[in-house]
Amino acid sequence: SQTIHQWPATLVQPVGSPLSLECTVEGTSNPNLYWYRQAAGRGLQLLFYSVGIGQISSEVPQNLSASRPQDRQFILSSKKLLLSDSGFYLCAWSGRLTTGVQSEQFFGPGTRLTVL
Amino acid sequence: KNQVEQSPQSLIILEGKNCTLQCNYTVSPFSNLRWYKQDTGRGPVSLTIMTFSENTKSNGRYTATLDADTKQSSLHITASQLSDSASYICVVSASGGFKTIFGAGTRLFVKA
Repeated sequence: SQTIHQWPATLVQPVGSPLSLECTVEGTSNPNLYWYRQAAGRGLQLLFYSVGIGQISSEVPQNLSASRPQDRQFILSSKKLLLSDSGFYLCAWSGRLTTGVQSEQFFGPGTRLTVL
Repeated sequence: KNQVEQSPQSLIILEGKNCTLQCNYTVSPFSNLRWYKQDTGRGPVSLTIMTFSENTKSNGRYTATLDADTKQSSLHITASQLSDSASYICVVSASGGFKTIFGAGTRLFVKA
């Protein structure tokens, strides 16, 4: 069966510090990978998605970047955190898209980031 | 503009009662609609998925309906339990790409 891992579970960082959140998927090959942010009381906002190693698409301009160094590894980074980067970060994976059909996304447990 | 709106924003019900959550969307071209349950501090978990041709789908005590003409969906929870306390998120995907729009969710509180 497939599993998705995220770490750390919680993180408190000062403004201006760097960030690295990691997500790994087991039990599947060539997944599509996603990073979302969820602000308190708000819906999920898609930050990045990736259809393969080294292929990253950004949905919104921001202070964050993503990388996919291996097929089942997705990393969210920042060189200098802002207060507005606080939130709940979720990684998700899905199978390959078939024509015209969006495959279901499976979410990781999330990382609660607080920037002080 | 692709949007997903959910109502109510929050809901409090007594254990054992039924409730219905609403979702209106304007996503086009429509591919499918999913309802997710998200426990506090956890990732969302899929409850149901419906495509254009489906108008109802059940998963235990959860029943989702879809009216593709009016672009409305509902999630009905029967005989609620304390463990149903969570956020319920309506997610609509457009066909032909990665356009997936998440609603802000309905926060359900089930009280004993």
